[in-house]
Amino acid sequence: DQQVKQNSPSLSVQEGRISILNCDYTNSMFDYFLWYKKYPAEGPTFLISISSIKDKNEDGRFTVFLNKSAKHLSLHIVPSQPGDSAVYFCAASYNTDKLIFGTGTRLQVFP
Amino acid sequence: DTEVTQTPKHLVMGMTNKKSLKCEQHMGHRAMYWYKQKAKKPPELMFVYSYEKLSINESVPSRFSPECPNSSLLNLHLHALQPEDSALYLCASSRRDRSTNEKLFFGSGTQLSVL
Repeated sequence: DQQVKQNSPSLSVQEGRISILNCDYTNSMFDYFLWYKKYPAEGPTFLISISSIKDKNEDGRFTVFLNKSAKHLSLHIVPSQPGDSAVYFCAASYNTDKLIFGTGTRLQVFP
Repeated sequence: DTEVTQTPKHLVMGMTNKKSLKCEQHMGHRAMYWYKQKAKKPPELMFVYSYEKLSINESVPSRFSPECPNSSLLNLHLHALQPEDSALYLCASSRRDRSTNEKLFFGSGTQLSVL
């Protein structure tokens, strides 16, 4: 049973426009959410996180929104750059030991 | 130093071989993790060490044997693996501070092929 889902396996966005990546979860116990970026044959790199007590967190071009009632979070990248092309994983946890990853969305930013 | 270093980067082994994956961090983190990632799938948790003690084993087969010799090192000993064990093995660490939420720092992984 996949507790964290990213329903869009891929997304293609023009450079300079906004990229919106979505993530849904089923476990209401999750209280901490993260986004990771991953290039092929490399480990995931942390991007941004949000606690369940907040509904928005910003860091530069990256903003994460959390809608607890809908069990939904999204990552906004503005403006998108070609270097943002990678696979993006959302992840969730409800204690400090286990991190559950979503299925991933491949983002391609074209010129 | 904000890196998690994994060696080797690539490993090819036969089903009768014994090999070890190594992971090292010098960030003073007290939790270390092994994840396994198959192609086009999310990383899946295998083991967690907290303060050098095994705290989580996600029902991993005994042909995978983790070891944490000290707070900076994490090994994964491999023996009698199957071809379906071929995957990217990721090591991660975190601060393990209960007062704050944790983020994991990942190494670049070991790409393992079992023939």
